[in-house]
Amino acid sequence: AQRVTQPEKLLSVFKGAPVELKCNYSYSGSPELFWYVQYSRQRLQLLLRHISRESIKGFTADLNKGETSFHLKKPFAQEEDSAMYYCALRRSSYKLIFGSGTRLLVRP
Amino acid sequence: DVKVTQSSRYLVKRTGEKVFLECVQDMDHENMFWYRQDPGLGLRLIYFSYDVKMKEKGDIPEGYSVSREKKERFSLILESASTNQTSMYLCASSSELQGEQFFGPGTRLTVL
Repeated sequence: AQRVTQPEKLLSVFKGAPVELKCNYSYSGSPELFWYVQYSRQRLQLLLRHISRESIKGFTADLNKGETSFHLKKPFAQEEDSAMYYCALRRSSYKLIFGSGTRLLVRP
Repeated sequence: DVKVTQSSRYLVKRTGEKVFLECVQDMDHENMFWYRQDPGLGLRLIYFSYDVKMKEKGDIPEGYSVSREKKERFSLILESASTNQTSMYLCASSSELQGEQFFGPGTRLTVL
């Protein structure tokens, strides 16, 4: 079955600490994965996708097919990174399946 | 700037009422989606549409229906609202080629 698992509901770190938001997936084909972010009182928006291999706002994510993971990382967290983060898997030409989300709280 | 708009930010309805949630996109996207967003459950797909008048059930279609008469507009209908349909409803759209979905601001529906 196609599934996206985000094991942490809440991740709390101090400003300047490294951050890793975990995402594991199950998919039989060649996966295409995304991270979406929702800041307080803002709409859900794309943060990054694995095929572009880019760094957005200091965040990176590497697809590890062996471990079926797509963890989101940032070396030094900032307070403005506090948000809800969703990992998503493209399961057809247009449908996505989302994980349950992780709330990141960056404390001053 | 790309835009997906939803007709209401907040809506309060009574049990048994018929509820319409409207979504409009101005990007000429073929695909449109309705999701529920609930704490601890993430986003769950209710219905999606890949063309005018075309629709497919998502993962949780029970109690909902949809309508897409024009390419830019996708409506979610609760035929007889129930308290367990109290939730945040998100609309999204995407093009045929791009996987990225663009989201509306959401409608927080409360059914009393």
